[in-house]
Amino acid sequence: QQQVRQSPQSLTVWEGETAILNCSYEDSTFNYFPWYQQFPGEGPALLISIRSVSDKKEDGRFTIFFNKREKKLSLHITDSQPGDSATYFCAAHNTNTGKLTFGDGTVLTVKP
Amino acid sequence: GALVYQYPRRTICKSGTSMRMECQAVGFQATSVAWYRQSPQKTFELIALSTVNSAIKYEQNFTQEKFPISHPNLSFSSMTVLNAYLEDRGLYLCGARGPGTNQDTQYFGPGTRLLVL
Repeated sequence: QQQVRQSPQSLTVWEGETAILNCSYEDSTFNYFPWYQQFPGEGPALLISIRSVSDKKEDGRFTIFFNKREKKLSLHITDSQPGDSATYFCAAHNTNTGKLTFGDGTVLTVKP
Repeated sequence: GALVYQYPRRTICKSGTSMRMECQAVGFQATSVAWYRQSPQKTFELIALSTVNSAIKYEQNFTQEKFPISHPNLSFSSMTVLNAYLEDRGLYLCGARGPGTNQDTQYFGPGTRLLVL
């Protein structure tokens, strides 16, 4: 059973629109959720993260909304830019085990 | 800031030979280092997690005999892929975390891409 799920697999938006990337998880012991951005040929780079005690985290154009009860979170990218085109990974961290579990990613394309 | 370097960035080896890859953390103490393999479909497989003062924990389907890991200090780790075959192809990522950063966050290097002929 996959522990972290992401949807959609791919998403295309126009420049200036808001992109919404979804993530859900199974394990209630996950308590920290980083989102990574990965460009082709590069490693994943930390974009923004949230702890399970919060329901929202904002950093510039990037906002995470977190619903602990439903075990769901989403990444909103406002005023999307072509440079935001990348694969976005939702991950979940279990402090007890130290393990980070990744979703399968959402490929975002922003058209100019 | 927290930086993680990996080298080589890309390597090609003949089937049945071995290949060593390195990971270096700069700007923080890497008390924990995780090695992953990212498939062409971009899914992440955790190979093993190495934490200072603890035994290295390998995930199912990965063994020390095939992927020996060294984590001798708080800035360096290496992993070797022994007897590499086609199914070992992929992007090998090192994720490190520890004091001097947000300790729950893993910072990744650019990866070592392994091609097996």
